[in-house]
Amino acid sequence: AQSVTQLDSHVSVSEGTPVLLRCNYSSSYSPSLFWYVQHPNKGLQLLLKYTSAATLVKGINGFEAEFKKSETSFHLTKPSAHMSDAAEYFCVVRMDTGRRALTFGSGTRLQVQP
Amino acid sequence: SAVISQKPSRDICQRGTSLTIQCQVDSQVTMMFWYRQQPGQSLTLIATANQGSEATYESGFVIDKFPISRPNLTFSTLTVSNMSPEDSSIYLCSTLSSYNEQFFGPGTRLTVL
Repeated sequence: AQSVTQLDSHVSVSEGTPVLLRCNYSSSYSPSLFWYVQHPNKGLQLLLKYTSAATLVKGINGFEAEFKKSETSFHLTKPSAHMSDAAEYFCVVRMDTGRRALTFGSGTRLQVQP
Repeated sequence: SAVISQKPSRDICQRGTSLTIQCQVDSQVTMMFWYRQQPGQSLTLIATANQGSEATYESGFVIDKFPISRPNLTFSTLTVSNMSPEDSSIYLCSTLSSYNEQFFGPGTRLTVL
């Protein structure tokens, strides 16, 4: 079975400081990994995805994530937080076995303090 | 990327009634998915709906409670039957692009009194 664990339910940073949202996954197969963002009362937006190409993935709005197979991790980072980054972030896994549905992590709420 | 619309965007319903949620995609897609997001929670897959076949339900979800239709490659419906307050959630439709990216509709916010 596939699963993802988001290690922090809440993260608070100051504007202009780095962001780190942690995610670990477990899988028996080669996974595809994603980060989605959900702003309050808005839909889900794909930030970035890893699909067995480059291990360092760049996404939208300055976010990036690094796939580390030895650590089974896919942490999301951003060098400098903006107020507009405040949202809920979901780490998501999909097994490349023909089954295309996603398994979502529990989410991390990012707060950005002025 | 696919553009997905859902109707209604929100509804308040009485216990024991049923609500049908519509999902429309602006292009033809093979696979469509229905997810539920309970208040303050993450997303949980309800079922996968492929055109021309019966929907595949995840553990904990049954067809009698959540019947799904998939009449063509651009449309699907999810019905929440015999509703109770525990069914209050956001219901999201999702599709898979040709690049294996999954896109989500805006969601239907359901409140059951």
